[in-house]
Amino acid sequence: QMQLVQSGAEVKKSGSSVKVSCKASGGTFSNCAISWVRQAPGQGLEWMGGIMPILSATDYAQRFQGRVTITADQSASTAYMELSSLTSEDTAVYYCAVVYSTSSTEYYWGQGTLVTVSS
Amino acid sequence: IVMTQSPATLSVSPGERATLSCRASQSVSSDLAWYQQKPGQAPRLLFYGASTRATGIPARFSGSGSGTEFTLTISSLQSGDFAVYYCQQYNKWPWTFGQGTKVEIK
Repeated sequence: QMQLVQSGAEVKKSGSSVKVSCKASGGTFSNCAISWVRQAPGQGLEWMGGIMPILSATDYAQRFQGRVTITADQSASTAYMELSSLTSEDTAVYYCAVVYSTSSTEYYWGQGTLVTVSS
Repeated sequence: IVMTQSPATLSVSPGERATLSCRASQSVSSDLAWYQQKPGQAPRLLFYGASTRATGIPARFSGSGSGTEFTLTISSLQSGDFAVYYCQQYNKWPWTFGQGTKVEIK
């Protein structure tokens, strides 16, 4: 059973950046495809982008292109999502999610990280 | 891939059965998840792989389907089941979510 543990809540100023981490345990990190999803207050769930560490491949949602960077440190079994040029509209809970592929496919979510952007 | 859920709102009496639908604009194989969300709470993963229950999900919930048509069934609604339910495909990036079905008390 894989577990995903995210870093703690953040309060940031407008114009700054935030970096959220997601540490995986209980599985083989190279078998993971990791995505980041956010939910702003009163809004739906929104995919931001993803990474396949074993392929060093990333993909980003068009609306976040140029502003989001997703990376992974295989030695630490940890993925990171950095979002820059923050505005109040980026206030949201950010989740990592993993599609874990072995002989079968499993799917896990982190507990979420609240990012609050203030002016 | 566009995910379309129906109905938008479902009014059901406690103890009755609820059937929620989710349609994908193209095949997502079985790479389909269902979530339950209550006001002020994080989404709760119910199913992945279209029909595999997540940890701790009671047996009155069932998921089915593959390709483009999926169904979430709640066999006998309990008070804690009144919430908004979302489907999501993770077959291809970008992942996409349905707009949600609100299950309300009749």
